Amino acid sequence: GENVEQHPSTLSVQEGDSAVIKCTYSDSASNYFPWYKQELGKRPQLIIDIRSNVGEKKDQRIAVTLNKTAKHFSLHITETQPEDSAVYFCAANFGNEKLTFGTGTRLTIIP
Amino acid sequence: EAGVTQSPTHLIKTRGQQATLRCSPISGHTSVYWYQQALGLGLQFLLWYDEGEERNRGNFPPRFSGRQFPNYSSELNVNALELEDSALYLCASSLSGQAAQYFGPGTRLLVL
Repeated sequence: GENVEQHPSTLSVQEGDSAVIKCTYSDSASNYFPWYKQELGKRPQLIIDIRSNVGEKKDQRIAVTLNKTAKHFSLHITETQPEDSAVYFCAANFGNEKLTFGTGTRLTIIP
Repeated sequence: EAGVTQSPTHLIKTRGQQATLRCSPISGHTSVYWYQQALGLGLQFLLWYDEGEERNRGNFPPRFSGRQFPNYSSELNVNALELEDSALYLCASSLSGQAAQYFGPGTRLLVL
């Protein structure tokens, strides 16, 4: 079936340290993997995405890595700041542009 | 460039009533997606419209329906409302054939 598992569900990190969130997906045909950040009461915001023909993508302090063989991908945030506190969702497409989302990770940056 | 817009921001209904939610995509985007986000939970895919046609629907009962208009805006209708329909309903849009989806602010539906 179409399934995306996300871990951990909550993560607390000291300001300035790195945070890593991991997701696994069930369908080897998936080829698009976005990450969204959702602050309290706001819309999910697309922060980075990666396609299956790329192993890693970086954008300033955030990066995403993809291991197609193992069917997992990870979000890395370096030099964390208080404004990084939010719920992060991973997702994968399962054909026809439909996205299936993970259950979310609540990231808290401790000042 | 304006983002995805949704109306109303909040909607209060009672059990058995019908709700209509509206979405306007980013200019130039022809695909519209609807998701349900129940409190504290992830996003569940509801419907996908592209070029006026329903392309895919999620695992929701038929009382969840919608349509897409010629200007690519979309409407989600929920009939015979149940208490568990209370949730944030998010609309997203994308360019046709492009995977990146951009979300609107959502409509928070409360069923009493």
